[in-house]
Amino acid sequence: DIQMTQSPHSLSASVGDSVTITCRASQSISAYLNWYHHKPGKAPKVLIFAASHLRSGVPSRFSGSGSGTDFSLTISGLQPEDFGTYSCQQSYTTPYTFGQGTKLEIK
Amino acid sequence: EVQLVQSGAEVKKPGESLRISCKGSGYSFTTYWIIWVRQMPGKGLEYMGRIDPSGSESNYSPPFQGHVTFSTDRSTNTAYLHWNSLKASDSAMYYCARRDEHPDGDATWFDPWGQGTLVTVSS
Repeated sequence: DIQMTQSPHSLSASVGDSVTITCRASQSISAYLNWYHHKPGKAPKVLIFAASHLRSGVPSRFSGSGSGTDFSLTISGLQPEDFGTYSCQQSYTTPYTFGQGTKLEIK
Repeated sequence: EVQLVQSGAEVKKPGESLRISCKGSGYSFTTYWIIWVRQMPGKGLEYMGRIDPSGSESNYSPPFQGHVTFSTDRSTNTAYLHWNSLKASDSAMYYCARRDEHPDGDATWFDPWGQGTLVTVSS
């Protein structure tokens, strides 16, 4: 199975800050990488698909990049509603696997 | 509106059986795989496997193979996750989601997700 490793495990930032979360795959997955945001008691929502494509309806402050084994999600200009957990997921092959999640706390 | 609605929270004893549901609406149910995801307390998302509602072909992630069963009822656009014998370690939130795909069939992602079903297994 492909292992997905995210960093950092958690971070704290202020409204207006920019933050970057990274995700590393244990083998090349081309650009088959998605990013999700989820909050306690809420269903996860897809933000970015295929590494860099913004899902319709997602604010443009979210952006993704990378290919092969290294990927990143950047949030430019944090908003209060951005708190929660961000998870990457590879869609290169089954079993699809997720990173362990990065918990973002708004200061 | 495309949506998946899951059944409510369950409290069970070890050894009991359980089936939870995930009802799709707003789209052609047989066109898209349904995937199941586990989230244990304080942990990340774990992919359990998928079922193709068009023919009920299933594929399970190794940690879940043999312990859970996926099924669908095309007449009601509903997917099910079933346990024959629950363990305390099955206590978790379970999500279903639709595997969506880009029109060119290359990129896939999970959208939408159900609201989750909390399963508690305790003696």
